[in-house]
Amino acid sequence: DSGVTQTPKHLITATGQRVTLRCSPRSGDLSVYWYQQSLDQGLQFLIQYYNGEERAKGNILERFSAQQFPDLHSELNLSSLELGDSALYFCASSVVDSPWTGEQYFGPGTRLTVT
Amino acid sequence: EDQVTQSPEALRLQEGESSSLNCSYTVSGLRGLFWYRQDPGKGPEFLFTLYSAGEEKEKERLKATLTKKESFLHITAPKPEDSATYLCAVPVITQGGSEKLVFGKGTKLTVNP
Repeated sequence: DSGVTQTPKHLITATGQRVTLRCSPRSGDLSVYWYQQSLDQGLQFLIQYYNGEERAKGNILERFSAQQFPDLHSELNLSSLELGDSALYFCASSVVDSPWTGEQYFGPGTRLTVT
Repeated sequence: EDQVTQSPEALRLQEGESSSLNCSYTVSGLRGLFWYRQDPGKGPEFLFTLYSAGEEKEKERLKATLTKKESFLHITAPKPEDSATYLCAVPVITQGGSEKLVFGKGTKLTVNP
């Protein structure tokens, strides 16, 4: 158990809909990262927040957005969903505000299925 | 473009049969290389960080090494519980000046009893 929690575990929704994924980092960790993992693309970095502020952006679509709240939990919002958005979405956390240490602790993930 | 390539894609071993996994990278100015283990349907689990060529790290049956162009994850006398996908990752600076981890696609290791 990494100490990072994610809800829900599974999500099934239809194309065009909007969903929100939630992540609580490990106690004391200020950075939250979101990743998407699909079979063909592997693990892709989406976005990082540090202590409430956006710190780094990766291959995140404009239809996706995220935020980190004062209690440090984070939410990833996915809208106008398409079939290709079906994937595992992971949240990770770390103490520092940089991924350079690499010691990111991953949650169990949310499996999103868009039908 | 910065790239991380892992080989082989899949590896089947008999219990006790040692082998190595490879991670090659084309990132300029390497700021570290990281190994993770991922079990099916679960989040990646951090294993090692290597920062400079010649560095080695060990954990149980696993040993990670780093050269200027690649890293190896050596598995000595593996057991069935070592079966997992092993991912390597390197931090890169994006065009926007921020940082992100770029992961390889992984090596799926299966150890048969």
